Amino acid sequence: DAKTTQPPSMDCAEGRAANLPCNHSTISGNEYVYWYRQIHSQGPQYIIHGLKNNETNEMASLIITEDRKSSTLILPHATLRDTAVYYCIGSITQGGSEKLVFGKGTKLTVNP
Amino acid sequence: NAGVTQTPKFQVLKTGQSMTLQCAQDMNHEYMSWYRQDPGMGLRLIHYSVGAGITDQGEVPNGYNVSRSTTEDFPLRLLSAAPSQTSVYFCASSFDGQGPSPLHFGNGTRLTVT
Repeated sequence: DAKTTQPPSMDCAEGRAANLPCNHSTISGNEYVYWYRQIHSQGPQYIIHGLKNNETNEMASLIITEDRKSSTLILPHATLRDTAVYYCIGSITQGGSEKLVFGKGTKLTVNP
Repeated sequence: NAGVTQTPKFQVLKTGQSMTLQCAQDMNHEYMSWYRQDPGMGLRLIHYSVGAGITDQGEVPNGYNVSRSTTEDFPLRLLSAAPSQTSVYFCASSFDGQGPSPLHFGNGTRLTVT
């Protein structure tokens, strides 16, 4: 898995966009960028993934730079329920024997 | 659709006791896995299965056994509990464990071994 670097914490006002950065300068050409989040005491929740192109789903948007060395997860209208630890992972697959390194992630606090 | 269901939610064991953590999924996923989460350590893979009848070891398998007799269930057995096994255990599943199939996690079992 590619090593990823994320800021330890971020704050965001409710209703505003939350932009969470991730550096993955060692990512290889066939590794996807995945984002998960973990709300206190719950299991990790898949958010989105991408390879080269920007992606959007009902939860978030993922912007990947052209050189693939970094990406940004965007929560367009953050709510209090989006307060969680967000993990960025570079990985070829999400299963098998591949070690899934969640790291420490970014603790996002959405403030009222 | 229940997703991934783990039982029990909490468990306290004495050193040397054995127990089974249950995991069931109703999404017809072929791939299932067990992780433990310790403070500052992230998630570590214990065992995984790519289909019924097939299991393999992950990063930290010692002290744990698994079996996969059905697609739906993937129980994790602690043979002789030790304080070092105090942790939060997560079960996860995905469509086939290949390619970019995202993982679906249960809400965990919080185990304390005294």
